[in-house]
Amino acid sequence: KQEVTQIPAALSVPEGENLVLNCSFTDSAIYNLQWFRQDPGKGLTSLLLIQSSQREQTSGRLNASLDKSSGRSTLYIAASQPGDSATYLCAVGKTQGGSEKLVFGKGMKLTVNP
Amino acid sequence: NAGVTQTPKFRVLKTGQSMTLLCAQDMNHEYMYWYRQDPGMGLRLIHYSVGEGTTAKGEVPDGYNVSRLKKQNFLLGLESAAPSQTSVYFCASSGRTANSPLHFGNGTRLTVT
Repeated sequence: KQEVTQIPAALSVPEGENLVLNCSFTDSAIYNLQWFRQDPGKGLTSLLLIQSSQREQTSGRLNASLDKSSGRSTLYIAASQPGDSATYLCAVGKTQGGSEKLVFGKGMKLTVNP
Repeated sequence: NAGVTQTPKFRVLKTGQSMTLLCAQDMNHEYMYWYRQDPGMGLRLIHYSVGEGTTAKGEVPDGYNVSRLKKQNFLLGLESAAPSQTSVYFCASSGRTANSPLHFGNGTRLTVT
């Protein structure tokens, strides 16, 4: 059974720091990995998607990497800002029973202090 | 561009009552999903659909039913609500390819007393 882990569950940092968020998964047979952001009381917003054949994706100050063999992904946030405060979730896509499904981690709550 | 729209946003039910949560997407997506999110449990898949007229069970399907009569709509029904179904429910949709990200609605907060 695929399990997705995000450690730590919460992180508080001062503004301006470069951050690395970690995601690990137990089964390397994935077809993609997605990073999401969730603001309080809102749904999830897709940040980056890495297909299984790719190693990384970048969007603005965000960079996500994927190492399938070790079952790990990292989300790098450069020059963090208070507006980056949110819960960040990773999810791995796997094929099961002929259809594609996402398995989510429980998220990491990030607080960036001014 | 509305994306994924869920109605209602909030609802309070008494034990044993029934209700239907509505989800609509305007992105012509094939796949649609219903998740519930609970503290400490993360997001869990209830039911999903890979196309119009199809539905399948996810991780926690008991107590829920779904229908996908039109491609753009995915309905989640609770026939006899229980306090254990108090949760935040999210609908999501995606295209059918591996490079198609998941798009979420803003959720329905349901309380069953």
